[in-house]
Amino acid sequence: EVQLVESGGGLVQPGRSLKLSCAASGFTFSDYYMAWVRQAPTKGLEWVASISYDGGSTYYRDSVKGRFTISRDNAKSSLYLQMDSLRSEDTATYYCIVAAAYWGQGTLVTVSS
Amino acid sequence: DIQMTQSPSFLSASVGDRVTINCKASQNINKYLNWYQQKLGEAPKRLIYNTNNLQTGIPSRFSGSGSGTDYTLTISSLQPEDFATYFCLQHNSFPWTFGGGTKLELK
Repeated sequence: EVQLVESGGGLVQPGRSLKLSCAASGFTFSDYYMAWVRQAPTKGLEWVASISYDGGSTYYRDSVKGRFTISRDNAKSSLYLQMDSLRSEDTATYYCIVAAAYWGQGTLVTVSS
Repeated sequence: DIQMTQSPSFLSASVGDRVTINCKASQNINKYLNWYQQKLGEAPKRLIYNTNNLQTGIPSRFSGSGSGTDYTLTISSLQPEDFATYFCLQHNSFPWTFGGGTKLELK
């Protein structure tokens, strides 16, 4: 059974940093692209970033380019999202996704002073 | 960026009804269109991938169709557990973009 468990969310002040993690199991992690998607409270879904099988290619939405970094550790079957210079508009539940198929339960990030 | 326009935003229906939900892309997405169901407090669940492929374990009352810019999710006979929010995702090109969602409510 595919399992994706996000962690690392919380309350953070604007301008500060936070690192999200996603622990994957139930599939061969290194065989799949991974992604982060977020959903702001009462808003729609927004793709944030994707990473290729070996981490050699990364893709970001414009609003997070230069501030967020997606990475992976295939030996640990883990996905990460380093979020720097956080803004209030980054407040959302962040989901880890494999191959646009399976989603984790999400971790809430709140950016507020 | 490819814009995904989903309609309707809200849908009121009864058990046993046939319902359709539509997503229109601002350009050709080559059938790279997935449909998801999300219930309150739960992670989204993929129902259909690449336009018309049923996800393993999903009941056959769910089906998808479309091509080019126009895509449809059909539920042939609504069951009580189907009342939820549905949304589409185009993954033809980055940035991936989602439809705005359809909240399916019991009439």
